[in-house]
This record gives sequence, structure tokens and C-alpha cells, in this order.
Amino acid sequence: NAGVTQTPKFQVLKTGQSMTLQCAQDMNHEYMSWYRQDPGMGLRLIHYSVGAGITDQGEVPNGYNVSRSTTEDFPLRLLSAAPSQTSVYFCASSPPQGGNEQFFGPGTRLTVL
Amino acid sequence: ILNVEQSPQSLHVQEGDSTNFTCSFPSSNFYALHWYRWETAKSPEALFVMTLNGDEKKKGRISATLNTKEGYSYLYIKGSQPEDSATYLCAFKGATNKLIFGTGTLLAVQP
Repeated sequence: NAGVTQTPKFQVLKTGQSMTLQCAQDMNHEYMSWYRQDPGMGLRLIHYSVGAGITDQGEVPNGYNVSRSTTEDFPLRLLSAAPSQTSVYFCASSPPQGGNEQFFGPGTRLTVL
Repeated sequence: ILNVEQSPQSLHVQEGDSTNFTCSFPSSNFYALHWYRWETAKSPEALFVMTLNGDEKKKGRISATLNTKEGYSYLYIKGSQPEDSATYLCAFKGATNKLIFGTGTLLAVQP
């Protein structure tokens, strides 16, 4: 199993550009989520999904869209990038129950100029 | 807004010292409490997932306890080693499906 994969690893955008961060998992996990990591802020939940076709907002959803058309994939879209979205983005997945650990991808480092 | 707090923010100990950190979380609508270990330039990895009040879990020199009635969990490291240096994160899952993380405790173990 590849586990949770994220692409790209690094990305530089200009303000106003759009892009999609890709996340895929091959563990047949129903629960997937996106976090951003900023200094002193820990991991903050952006959006999450409990299964294909179902998504919901996390703590900091503004400026981001998600979709979940398949169990495997959970892309995160930045519609119009802003410097405040400069961060490291982590995707994670787990079986749906709360008693199961999350598996994290390697992260995407995004810089918005 | 769910509040998950960790203390201390950072900790410097000598090799061989034992140490502990605290995670406090809402005491209502509890579903699970997770602990993760996060090394620099890597991804967080799960240490424990705890679901029952009074749970105690152990993995080698690391152990954790859980008190859901008062809303806190302790993580203990016995005989710290330099390879224990990392950020330790706790995360709370309540009645919603959101897993909310604390800001972490950064542990540095000096040889």
C-alpha cells in the first residue's frame, strides 16, 4: 500500500491564481480530511469528508473548496490564492470511527507571493 | 468553537529525565482522544487513540491516561532519549466528525 499520497510536494503561486492540491489513499478509508499547519497554530482542519459524495467544513474553510467523488481521492482547491494561504497542507485518512488513528500524507508546502 | 489546549508549549529535558505533558479538551460530547508524535520534516504519526474514561495506554517508554469527566489527558515519557525529540499533538473528536488538534508540545531532549 502507498498509504496517503499528496501532490505536489512544493508549489509557488502568485496572488489570485488557482490550483488544486491532490490527495489519494489506497486503504479504502471512508474518512478524509485536510489540515493546514502554521507556526504556533498546530494543525487546523480545513474540510473533511466521511465518505464519497459527503463533505463538510472544518475550522478554517474560507478560500478552499473540496469534493469527494470517489473513496480514494479528496482534492483541495484554492480558488484565488492569497498570501494568507501560505502554509503546509496535510491530508489525512482513517476508518470512520473515532477510535481509529489518522494516517497523514507527506504534506504540500505552498507559498503564495 | 472547540478548545483543545496543550501545555507546556515547549519543554527541554536532559537525556534520562522523565517528563509529562497535558492535553485539556471539552468534557461534553466526548468520542475519542488521539495522541500523535510529529518529528521535524515528517508527518504526524499516531501514538494512541483513547475512547474510554480511565483508559491507560502504553507503548514502550511512552504512556497516556485519559479522564473524560474532567476533560484532560496526560502523556508520559519515561527516561527520555534524544530520539524522543518531537512535537506531541493531541486531538479531540466529539459528537461531530471533526478531529480538532491542540497546538502541540515541543520536546527537546539534550544528550
